[in-house]
Amino acid sequence: DAMVIQNPRYQVTQFGKPVTLSCSQTLNHNVMYWYQQKSSQAPKLLFHYYDKDFNNEADTPDNFQSRRPNTSFCFLDIRSPGLGDAAMYLCATSREGGRGYLSGANVLTFGAGSRLTVL
Amino acid sequence: LAKTTQPISMDSYEGQEVNITCSHNNIATNDYITWYQQFPSQGPRFIIQGYKTKVTNEVASLFIPADRKSSTLSLPRVSLSDTAVYYCLVGDANFNKFYFGSGTKLNVKP
Repeated sequence: DAMVIQNPRYQVTQFGKPVTLSCSQTLNHNVMYWYQQKSSQAPKLLFHYYDKDFNNEADTPDNFQSRRPNTSFCFLDIRSPGLGDAAMYLCATSREGGRGYLSGANVLTFGAGSRLTVL
Repeated sequence: LAKTTQPISMDSYEGQEVNITCSHNNIATNDYITWYQQFPSQGPRFIIQGYKTKVTNEVASLFIPADRKSSTLSLPRVSLSDTAVYYCLVGDANFNKFYFGSGTKLNVKP
């Protein structure tokens, strides 16, 4: 089945030690998103790619970076994790994002998430 | 950007119909309204999407009035497994951005 796969599902890192989370998709969707979700909170958009076009949210800390080397893969790099970065990180895709106002074009498909623990 | 407002939580009993309303006063002409369900430690899952009037699928119905400033997700005959957080999202047609509101935590009791 076509899907969005995140690895690893669980990541433990030490304070300040860089970590990379990966996301792959077999849907051939144009848009890939990274959300951060802390306990009992709603997912918060960090950034997204429309194809190769990177769009950062204004309040995303510089500590968070992303790469999309091809259509299928997208990575989230946290350069120096702090205790406050412990969260579930969710990757999502959509066929056309908000630009597609045809029904279904902007439905988000999420991965299962990567839970980051910072010691 | 259209912001959404939902009740923080709702309680229901098995077998009842549950209606969750979301307000989105600043919705743009091209925006669709989409509802997602999220269980603990999982990614949100698509439930239903609509533009106007009524949409029904195998799990839910979505009612959207003519002014589109609100929408109501209707879950028929809920079961314990419907206990989850429900989010409505309104897309930004220009910028491919989707922001989650606070969501509604639905608690279904036996």
